[in-house]
Amino acid sequence: DTGVSQDPRHKITKRGQNVTFRCDPISEHNRLYWYRQTLGQGPEFLTYFQNEAQLEKSRLLSDRFSAERPKGSFSTLEIQRTEQGDSAMYLCASSLAPGTSGGSETQYFGPGTRLLVL
Amino acid sequence: GQQVMQIPQYQHVQEGEDFTTYCNSSTTLSNIQWYKQRPGGHPVFLIQLVKSGEVKKQKRLTFQFGEAKKNSSLHITATQTTDVGTYFCGGTSYGKLTFGQGTILTVHP
Repeated sequence: DTGVSQDPRHKITKRGQNVTFRCDPISEHNRLYWYRQTLGQGPEFLTYFQNEAQLEKSRLLSDRFSAERPKGSFSTLEIQRTEQGDSAMYLCASSLAPGTSGGSETQYFGPGTRLLVL
Repeated sequence: GQQVMQIPQYQHVQEGEDFTTYCNSSTTLSNIQWYKQRPGGHPVFLIQLVKSGEVKKQKRLTFQFGEAKKNSSLHITATQTTDVGTYFCGGTSYGKLTFGQGTILTVHP
């Protein structure tokens, strides 16, 4: 499989529960991004990693959200104490950073994890 | 912060008509990327424009990047029903990609 994969594809949870999503980027890509998308909107940037370092976090990312990329490969996004407003599609994308051989800022998206908080 | 505006929000066309969506950034961009998202799907990369005034074509799709690198357009000639979906532009500035709201295209056969 040469694309970005995400797991699970769908998640239904009750308000107050914690959820964790996983993203596996394209294998040679060193950058990994998380976005949130709600109906009728474009993807909103949440955070990104270059290798294992988290380089930027959006102000959208409250204290209940945490992301990790411990070995510079797959990443996890955890939402603690979910709220109904967290219901959205969570998209992961990866890219090869500029300056890396063959790198550009083109991002390739995974299929997303659709979260519904009841 | 950086803002990317995209118009129109919706476009309904008859099959065979042309379609254009426009993207404007509040800041100068290092590049602009276009994506297509089918209903229920995820954004799929179409193209990246980097140079001022750049024009690229993919079959019936023509992409332009403005001279000031703050705006872009996507034009589809003779739309087909397979063109339905939401078209997003994403502008990169200082390494950060900011998406427009997208233009939802419906094509009536």
